[in-house]
Amino acid sequence: RKEVEQDPGPFNVPEGATVAFNCTYSNSASQSFFWYRQDCRKEPKLLMSVYSSGNEDGRFTAQLNRASQYISLLIRDSKLSDSATYLCVVGGPPSGYSTLTFGKGTMLLVSP
Amino acid sequence: DAGVTQSPTHLIKTRGQHVTLRCSPISGHKSVSWYQQVLGQGPQFIFQYYEKEERGRGNFPDRFSARQFPNYSSELNVNALLLGDSALYLCASSLATGVGNTIYFGEGSWLTVV
Repeated sequence: RKEVEQDPGPFNVPEGATVAFNCTYSNSASQSFFWYRQDCRKEPKLLMSVYSSGNEDGRFTAQLNRASQYISLLIRDSKLSDSATYLCVVGGPPSGYSTLTFGKGTMLLVSP
Repeated sequence: DAGVTQSPTHLIKTRGQHVTLRCSPISGHKSVSWYQQVLGQGPQFIFQYYEKEERGRGNFPDRFSARQFPNYSSELNVNALLLGDSALYLCASSLATGVGNTIYFGEGSWLTVV
C-alpha cells in the first residue's frame, strides 16, 4: 500500500464547477497535512495546511479525518487558473526530523 | 527577499557520470531537504539536513549523497548516473525541522541522463 494515495486523474471540469479531491494516508503517526499545487514544470507550492477542525481559504476547503486517515480538498467555482496538479502531502514525525510524503497528484483541467 | 535558489536549472549528463546540484536556502533557514520528482509522480524525499547534520534519509541508493555547509547552503551529489535518475530535483528549506515549520521549494534542477 502506498503511503499517500490520491484519486487518479485527470479531472476535466467546466468553469464554475465544484470539484473534490480525495486522499488517504497509511502512517497513523503522521502529524501534519497539506495540499500543494504544482503547475506544469514548476515547483510545488503550498496551497493550504489541513487541520482536524477543517479549514477554508476563499474557494478552497480542506478536511482531515484522522480516524479514517483521509484528507479532502474542495474547490468551489472553479477558475481557468485553477488548472494544475494537486498534491496531497503528509508530514513526518513531530520530533527529530520532519519529512514530507507526497501523493502522486491529481491533475485538474478547467475549461471555458 | 530571495527564495530558495537552485543551480543549475537544466543539465544533461551521460550514464555513468557524476552530477552536483546546489541549493541556497532562504536567508535564516537552517534546514534543507532534497526531493526527486520523476515525471508523472509526486516528489520523493531523499535527504534532510539541519545545522549541517543529516537528519533524515529516504530510500535511495548510496550513489546519492549530500552535505550542508556552514552558510546552510547544500549540495546533492549523484554518482554513476543511471537513465532512471532523470528527474526534477527539488531543494526545500525551512527555519527548522519538525511540525509547524513551513517548507519552501526552489524551482528545481532538471536532470536528463542520456
